[in-house]
Amino acid sequence: AQTVTQSQPEMSVQEAETVTLSCTYDTSESDYYLFWYKQPPSRQMILVIRQEAYKQQNATENRFSVNFQKAAKSFSLKISDSQLGDAAMYFCAYRSPPNGETSGSRLTFGEGTQLTVNP
Amino acid sequence: SAVISQKPSRDICQRGTSLTIQCQVDSQVTMMFWYRQQPGQSLTLIATANQGSEATYESGFVIDKFPISRPNLTFSTLTVSNMSPEDSSIYLCSVGDRLSVTEAFFGQGTRLTVV
Repeated sequence: AQTVTQSQPEMSVQEAETVTLSCTYDTSESDYYLFWYKQPPSRQMILVIRQEAYKQQNATENRFSVNFQKAAKSFSLKISDSQLGDAAMYFCAYRSPPNGETSGSRLTFGEGTQLTVNP
Repeated sequence: SAVISQKPSRDICQRGTSLTIQCQVDSQVTMMFWYRQQPGQSLTLIATANQGSEATYESGFVIDKFPISRPNLTFSTLTVSNMSPEDSSIYLCSVGDRLSVTEAFFGQGTRLTVV
């Protein structure tokens, strides 16, 4: 079974600064998908960024980028030019590739990192 | 993408009662997932619901406590039965398709408080 670990329960950053959230995972699969989700107080889970394991290039999405180290099973999220609206709980998640009817979009989540953005 | 409507958004229930949570999707999807998020914690998968078959439950979750219906490809319900304060959590519906390589989509969650 896959596991996802986020070792930082809480992080804080000054507005306009850069912060990195850590995530490690354990899997025996060679092909998989990794995600960062954001959950603001509204409870809505919002996709921040995704990474396919077969792609060596790190994913970027505007101010958000990842450092994907497949051999180390590490998947960190960097938020540049932090904004007040970035304050939320961030979850790292793992997904196996589609394989019959039993995997689909089932996700394994890390414990979460609560990000505070200070003005 | 998929738009998911989850109802109710929140409820306060008496212990011993049951609550049914509804999840409606704006498109047909193969698989629907129900997660529980206990206060201050991560999301834990309760079960996977496929249309036309019994739901598949994760370890620690049983059908008698969390019965699930999946009558068609756009709708599912999760019932939290015989509730106790320990059931106070956020319950989230998620959808995906085995052919999709994109992310899972989530409803806005149901915040349940059992008193």
